Amino acid sequence: ETAVFQTPNYHVTQVGNEVSFNCKQTLGHDTMYWYKQDSKKLLKIMFSYNNKQLIVNETVPRRFSPQSSDKAHLNLRIKSVEPEDSAVYLCASSPRTGGVNQDTQYFGPGTRLLVL
Amino acid sequence: GDSVTQTEGQVTVSESKSLIINCTYSATSIGYPNLFWYVRYPGEGLQLLLKVITAGQKGSSRGFEATYNKEATSFHLQKASVQESDSAVYYCALNTEGADRLTFGKGTQLIIQP
Repeated sequence: ETAVFQTPNYHVTQVGNEVSFNCKQTLGHDTMYWYKQDSKKLLKIMFSYNNKQLIVNETVPRRFSPQSSDKAHLNLRIKSVEPEDSAVYLCASSPRTGGVNQDTQYFGPGTRLLVL
Repeated sequence: GDSVTQTEGQVTVSESKSLIINCTYSATSIGYPNLFWYVRYPGEGLQLLLKVITAGQKGSSRGFEATYNKEATSFHLQKASVQESDSAVYYCALNTEGADRLTFGKGTQLIIQP
């Protein structure tokens, strides 16, 4: 099956803990993204990687760090979570190889984080 | 920066009635943006519904249509006759040529009344 996979689906943790979310795509795409969807349902870009290279790094707190081992994987680590980090984190990928589909992004199911 | 404004909150439509969800955009980059409608069905991930990359063109999928109107900077989503299975959250989005991100509207929850 070709798709974007995320683990875990849901995670509950305490303030100050470290969490790590995994994302893997089997679509053969070159570019991967992390988006955050907050309590107001607004989806905003956090990071973007192309072939393991960071190309977008929006203004996010330094406790957030993306990690890419190869172009099919893009993980997200949060060093010391805060209550405002409670959100849904969406991973996506896109081809960026030219052609009509180069700008279409394909999303994973999301990881819901609840910080108590 | 770029921005997308769409019908906010919930829209309730009776089954078999017509639907329109408004979307307008502002893109600061040179050139015309690519425009998208994404949809999230209950229990599923965000998926592409339709896209249009050329001004003046219309995109369609699953009975939905949207026309890229560069004069009005709009990309409204329409359907002539909705079904219960259309209940979902719809997001209008854009990116510019070569851009490395999508800019989303806040989403519109569509509720279909039987």
